[in-house]
Order: sequence, then C-alpha cells, then structure tokens
Amino acid sequence: GQNIDQPTEMTATEGAIVQINCTYQTSGFNGLFWYQQHAGEAPTFLSYNVLDGLEEKGRFSSFLSRSKGYSYLLLKELQMKDSASYLCAVRSAGGGKLIFGQGTELSVKP
Amino acid sequence: GAVVSQHPSRVICKSGTSVKIECRSLDFQATTMFWYRQFPKQSLMLMATSNEGSKATYEQGVEKDKFLINHASLTLSTLTVTSAHPEDSSFYICSANTGGFYGYTFGSGTRLTVV
Repeated sequence: GQNIDQPTEMTATEGAIVQINCTYQTSGFNGLFWYQQHAGEAPTFLSYNVLDGLEEKGRFSSFLSRSKGYSYLLLKELQMKDSASYLCAVRSAGGGKLIFGQGTELSVKP
Repeated sequence: GAVVSQHPSRVICKSGTSVKIECRSLDFQATTMFWYRQFPKQSLMLMATSNEGSKATYEQGVEKDKFLINHASLTLSTLTVTSAHPEDSSFYICSANTGGFYGYTFGSGTRLTVV
C-alpha cells in the first residue's frame, strides 16, 4: 500500500526558518517531489530527490533518507508570500505516477 | 518549457448532466496523462492514468463509467464527468509526464460545481 504523511498545518514567522517533514511507505520508489500550491491553482515544482542527501535551491532545500522513508523541505528567510500548501509526492517505480501526501498548510505571520 | 492547457477553468452544471474537461499539451507529446481531483483543504487524489491509444487505468474506488477518460491523441486527453451529482463538485487537475528532470507538468485545473 501507499502511505505518505505530513503535518496538516504549520505556522512560522516572517524571516524565520521552517522545516516540513514527510514520511512515506510505498510499494515502490522512484523519487520524491515537493510542490507548492496556492488555493485554486496548479502545484508548482520546488524540488526533487532520488538519492539520499540534501538538495539546495536558493531559499529552499530538500533532504531525503530512503532507508528511513523520510524527507523534509526547509524554507529559509520566510516571506509572507510563502504562505501556501506544501505537497510531498512520491513517484512509483514502473508506472511513474505521483502519489501525494495530504499537504501541509503553512501560514507565515509578520 | 512544457505547457499543459486545461479547459474550462470553471464550470457550473446541473445535476444529471455531463461535463467534459480537456487537457492539451502545447509543445510536447504527452504519452501519459494523470487525472487528479482535490477537495477543499485536501491533497491531490489520483483518479486515473491515461495512455495514448489505450484504455485508462483507474485507481481503486474510482468509477470508470462515471469518469470517462479518453486519450485519443498525443496532445489531448479528456475527462468526462457523467451524470454529475453535487458530491462531484471538486477541483480537477491533469498532469502530463514530460519525462524530463522535473518530470511533470500540471494543467491549471478546473473548478466544477454541480448544482
């Protein structure tokens, strides 16, 4: 079966750092994606990990540990516009379909 | 970059009628298209995977006779919600597997309201 777990909500302060965790148990694994989504809009790609370790892209970093079935998204220097839903998604082996976690609603406050 | 155009962006229909949602890949060939639905404050739930020229593969619990998927060409996939009910009201979004590093391109979504 497939199970992808994220916290439902998080709150952080402008300028701070926030870490959003994602744990997964899937029948196959071919990479983990993080997306940002604003209400009523399409998800926007943030990062992709297929090997263990940290991937850094500007204010966003993502980490993966395949042995632990664990990933996190790190957002630095938070801005008000970072208030959004953050989705963790695992790509299955073979078919290539993306299975999403329930999403983490991040609120950035002044 | 790869673009998927999804139409309509919003549609309101009466109970019992059918609604067709289109997704077109504008500058690449989408051999595989994924269809998702999303309820308010929830995540994207995969409904089905469509491959050009063959029958769609539906996820468990999704009624294939209610949600008809057609992928007749490499640039067009359609989702038809048949005999719509108010509980079908949702945000529907398609995604194409582009095969590149980033993997997937999403349509802009369709907000369906059944009254």
